Amino acid sequence: ETGVTQSPTHLIKTRGQQVTLRCSSQSGHNTVSWYQQALGQGPQFIFQYYREEENGRGNFPPRFSGLQFPNYSSELNVNALELDDSALYLCASSAEYEQYFGPGTRLTVT
Amino acid sequence: QKEVEQDPGPLSVPEGAIVSLNCTYSNSAFQYFMWYRQYSRKGPELLMYTYSSGNKEDGRFTAQVDKSSKYISLFIRDSQPSDSATYLCAMSALGIQGAQKLVFGQGTRLTINP
Repeated sequence: ETGVTQSPTHLIKTRGQQVTLRCSSQSGHNTVSWYQQALGQGPQFIFQYYREEENGRGNFPPRFSGLQFPNYSSELNVNALELDDSALYLCASSAEYEQYFGPGTRLTVT
Repeated sequence: QKEVEQDPGPLSVPEGAIVSLNCTYSNSAFQYFMWYRQYSRKGPELLMYTYSSGNKEDGRFTAQVDKSSKYISLFIRDSQPSDSATYLCAMSALGIQGAQKLVFGQGTRLTINP
């Protein structure tokens, strides 16, 4: 176990709705990254937060946004959900270069 | 062309065999190379981490990086049924303000048959 936790485990939403996913970092880690993993694909980088500031973003639209809190936990928010947003959402925490992943939240958009 | 290419398999071998998993990449700025193992419906688990070129060994696992060829490998010796999983290669270049975006391969699904 990495010590990275995510909630909820599963989520079903309707197209157009908004969703918030949560991540608790491993103790001592001040950086959180979020990834989207479609079925049968490798994870795709969404963005990274370091000390409550976004410091890197992948090729995702602005309706994907995030927050990092003083205790280094994090949220991923997705507005105006689309069917293609159905995926496993992973967060990873790190202190140096190695990133440790949580179990993921499986989001289904209908 | 994808930045990281990985044969998705599936790959099926008998127990005890040596397994070789490979990735190629196109971005010469990549400096950090990782292998993750992902069981079904779980998050990726970090197996091996290598900086720049060279070999690294950890138990039954050996990671190799050849930056001149832009090619990385993971070898599994004495493979066990519990090694059955999807193996993901990942790599990164240090970005702005220390941001480190991992770029993953598609993953290779491996089955070890008893």
